Amino acid sequence: AQSVAQPEDQVNVAEGNPLTVKCTYSVSGNPYLFWYVQYPNRGLQFLLKYITGDNLVKGSYGFEAEFNKSQTSFHLKKPSALVSDSALYFCAVRDGNNNDMRFGAGTRLTVKP
Amino acid sequence: DSGVTQTPKHLITATGQRVTLRCSPRSGDLSVYWYQQSLDQGLQFLIQYYNGEERAKGNILERFSAQQFPDLHSELNLSSLELGDSALYFCASSVVATGSGNTIYFGEGSWLTVV
Repeated sequence: AQSVAQPEDQVNVAEGNPLTVKCTYSVSGNPYLFWYVQYPNRGLQFLLKYITGDNLVKGSYGFEAEFNKSQTSFHLKKPSALVSDSALYFCAVRDGNNNDMRFGAGTRLTVKP
Repeated sequence: DSGVTQTPKHLITATGQRVTLRCSPRSGDLSVYWYQQSLDQGLQFLIQYYNGEERAKGNILERFSAQQFPDLHSELNLSSLELGDSALYFCASSVVATGSGNTIYFGEGSWLTVV
């Protein structure tokens, strides 16, 4: 079965600095990868997804993610962090044969002014 | 706003009781998913419906049940509630039932507190 790991529970960055939230996955076959963000007391919001094609995927709010097949990773990135980016970020994965979307445990991003 | 509507937003009830959570999917979406988010278990998939039919089942307890009605709204019924059922319950929806690239969109959730 597919699975996803977010190795960091917490990521702290200073405003204006680049940020990276890490995600690694395990699937049989081709991966379909997603990032969601959850602000306090809110639902999960879709940021971006990788299905096929270009390894660099651009999404909402200036976020992008890089798919790396050899490292089985799909790290979320942003060139310049904002305080308002502080939230809980979830990586999710499906394989090509299963509709079940598996979520990681989440990474709490804190951007300090 | 994702377009997925959940009610109630907050609910406090006693152990042993039964509650019903309601979800209206995005306009045009035929598939509805239910997830449970708790501090110790993370985000857990419970069940999926597509156009009124159960499509996939995850870690849903026997005390829990769900259905999707002809107008496509869905209800999650939780019975014989225990303290450990306290969690945030999300509904999500998508246009189709399957397809690995299919994006699902989440509602704001229903906070359930069992006391």
